[in-house]
Order: sequence, then C-alpha cells, then structure tokens
Amino acid sequence: AQSVTQLDSQVPVFEEAPVELRCNYSSSVSVYLFWYVQYPNQGLQLLLKYLSGSTLVESINGFEAEFNKSQTSFHLRKPSVHISDTAEYFCAVRSSGGYQKVTFGTGTKLQVIP
Amino acid sequence: DGGITQSPKYLFRKEGQNVTLSCEQNLNHDAMYWYRQDPGQGLRLIYYSQIVNDFQKGDIAEGYSVSREKKESFPLTVTSAQKNPTAFYLCASTEPDRPREKLFFGSGTQLSVL
Repeated sequence: AQSVTQLDSQVPVFEEAPVELRCNYSSSVSVYLFWYVQYPNQGLQLLLKYLSGSTLVESINGFEAEFNKSQTSFHLRKPSVHISDTAEYFCAVRSSGGYQKVTFGTGTKLQVIP
Repeated sequence: DGGITQSPKYLFRKEGQNVTLSCEQNLNHDAMYWYRQDPGQGLRLIYYSQIVNDFQKGDIAEGYSVSREKKESFPLTVTSAQKNPTAFYLCASTEPDRPREKLFFGSGTQLSVL
C-alpha cells in the first residue's frame, strides 16, 4: 500500500516571497513522485516529476522539488512566487512495478497575496 | 491536438436519477481513470480501466458504474445509489506499462444535486 500526506491544506504567502509545500509519502516498493497543479475549474497539469538520478528536479516556471529518501519527502519550493502561482498543488506517487496505481495527496492551496 | 474531453462541464442531477459523464481521449492511451474531487480530500479513485472491455473498482466505486467498449471512451454513470454525488469529477488517461509517464487530465465535470 502507498499513501501521500500533504500536511498544509492552505498556504498564504506574499508575492515575491519564498514558499515550500510539504509532501511526505509511504510505500513498500519503489515509487515515482509527481507534483501536479490545478487552476480553478480545470483538470490537473504535471508540474514536475522525480524518476531517478539527481534528487533535485526543476520545472520550467521556477518550481523545484527535492527527493529525500531517508525522510520519504518530496517538498516543492519556489524562491519567489508570483500572483499567477495561485492554485492548488497535489503531490502524487506511482509504483514503479505491477499495476501502477497513482495515489494523490489531499492538496495544498497556495494563495499569493499582492 | 491530442487530449481528453469531458462533457458536460456542469451537470445537475435530480433525486433518484442516473446521470452519465462523458470522457473521450484521442491520445491512444490504454489506461483510463475516473477520480472524484471533494474540497480538502484530494482525488479519490472511482474506477479504472487498463484495456478495452476491462475495468476495475477503485477506492470509492459504490454508487458508480462504467463501461469501456472503445479505447477512446470511458463513460461514468452516477447512479441513484450514490447518495452524495455532488463533487468535481476528473477523467484521466495514461499508458499502463509506462509508470514514468504522467497522467493526462480532462477539464472536469461539476455535478450538483437539485
């Protein structure tokens, strides 16, 4: 069984300030890790993913996430947020073998304050 | 452009009525999924299908039914047995044997009870 925990349901942050959205996971097998973003009344879009190799992965719009195996974490960070980053962010895990069920966290709403 | 189309965008259900949500994809993906999204609960898996004419229950299948007669289509029926159907429903697809790949999502259907 696998699970994902996003402890923060909402994170308000001022524009141009840094932000960290936390994600912890548990799994008995190897997993791949994903962050998805959802804008209001839309589906989810992939933000970034960790498959293997370098533990630090980056997106094209300035977000980065670091895979920490010992702490089973995959926190999402951005050094300076913009108003357009206001959205809900979901962490997800997918098993690397067998039927690759995708498990999502409960989401974190990022609200950027002007 | 390839993608997933969900319709309608908004749907209203009367008491005791069955309603069907449409999901069509032209990505040539074998695997398709239905998720239910409620505020603060993230995405919960209703049904999934890894191949045509085959589907499996997810974590919250009670009160729902699906069919997979064509590769590109995976309609979801919300039956009268589902007592709390108000939610945002998301359809997704991917390749079942490629766990490194992301899920592609539709733009969702908001179902409300009259």
